[in-house]
Amino acid sequence: AQKITQTQPGMFVQEKEAVTLDCTYDTSDQSYGLFWYKQPSSGEMIFLIYQGSYDEQNATEGRYSLNFQKARKSANLVISASQLGDSAMYFCAMRGDQAGTALIFGKGTTLSVSS
Amino acid sequence: GAGVSQSPRYKVAKRGQDVALRCDPISGHVSLFWYQQALGQGPEFLTYFQNEAQLDKSGLPSDRFFAERPEGSVSTLKIQRTQQEDSAVYLCASSLGASGRDDEQFFGPGTRLTVL
Repeated sequence: AQKITQTQPGMFVQEKEAVTLDCTYDTSDQSYGLFWYKQPSSGEMIFLIYQGSYDEQNATEGRYSLNFQKARKSANLVISASQLGDSAMYFCAMRGDQAGTALIFGKGTTLSVSS
Repeated sequence: GAGVSQSPRYKVAKRGQDVALRCDPISGHVSLFWYQQALGQGPEFLTYFQNEAQLDKSGLPSDRFFAERPEGSVSTLKIQRTQQEDSAVYLCASSLGASGRDDEQFFGPGTRLTVL
């Protein structure tokens, strides 16, 4: 069975600093995808970044980068130059390759950015 | 362009009432998923449709939960005889349905159900 573990219930960072949100996963699949989503207090799930299990380079999307360490089964999200608008809940998720495979989510990390 | 929409956004029900939650996916999206998100937790899978066919309902917590997508577009999640433990946000997501790890799921804003 697939499982996502996020061990940081809450993280605090000051504006303009970088922050790393931890995520480890467990799966017996050889091919899978890893995702990070942001959920502000308004409730919508906003896709941030994707990393495929066979991708050799770490994914980057603007201020977001994914530190993928396959042997350690970790997929940490790094947010550079934090902004006040980054304050939200962040979820790590994974899914297999088959069409129609549901996402498996972790419990999330609440990020608070202060000025 | 229209994204995934859900209605109602908020629903308060008395214990024992039946409720129906609606999801309008992105036009042309083959795959549709329902997730349940309890307070302070991550979303958990409920059920999956490919067009009008419900291919996976393994996440439905009890036989009080029923979902349909009769014409392969709009989907309805129905909960009969609601219980307090059904209080959660119900999220709908749709995707093109292509195989491949990067078939992105687009989420709706969710319906927050409170059962009194």
